[in-house]
Amino acid sequence: NLMLTQPHSVSESPGKTVTISCTVSSGSISDSYVQWYQQRPGSAPTTVIYEYVQRPSGVPDRFSGSFEGSSASLTISGLQADDEADYFCQTYDNSHRWVFGGGTRLTVL
Amino acid sequence: EVQLVESGGGLVQPGGSLRLSCAASGFSFSGYAMSWVRQAPGKGLEWVASISGSGANRNYADFVKGRFTISRDNSKNTVYLEMNTVGAEDTALYYCAKDHEWGVVTATGADHWGQGILVTVSS
Repeated sequence: NLMLTQPHSVSESPGKTVTISCTVSSGSISDSYVQWYQQRPGSAPTTVIYEYVQRPSGVPDRFSGSFEGSSASLTISGLQADDEADYFCQTYDNSHRWVFGGGTRLTVL
Repeated sequence: EVQLVESGGGLVQPGGSLRLSCAASGFSFSGYAMSWVRQAPGKGLEWVASISGSGANRNYADFVKGRFTISRDNSKNTVYLEMNTVGAEDTALYYCAKDHEWGVVTATGADHWGQGILVTVSS
């Protein structure tokens, strides 16, 4: 079964840049689109990146996505306190079943 | 503005049934696949099921095991999740999600989410 692995947590200071990785268990990350979702405490998820690198309208350009080989990454630059949240990556397998990473807790110090 | 509003959750006894609804507005509903994703208390996101814009294609997570059925009524801009033979492990917040890509037969990822509806399975 396809699995996505994310670090459990990352932390960084305001104004800095942080990158969260998402590694696929088999195959290439380019086999299927990757999305990134932000979930603040007590709130529903929101989409910050879809199709590896696309930003929905309203998402600041401080959020960017990339991918290479077996990993996708979410980079947040100019960190703000408001960015503190859980971040989940998501893709789908060859049966079109969605797969989520376990989530990464971002702490803004 | 895209809006997704879930309803139908609540307390249900083990072995019971429940139907969740998600009313959509602000986009061409029949052109987009829709999905249900759940989140158990304190846990991560877990995909449940997806349905194509026409309703002809449906995909389910393995744990559903024939217990849940996803459907949609494009005349009402609503997607449903019929849940049968529920167990304690089905206790979760259930989110409705709109696919980001118009016209795809199978959902690939969400660009909008509802606020979620709580389902509690307990006697």
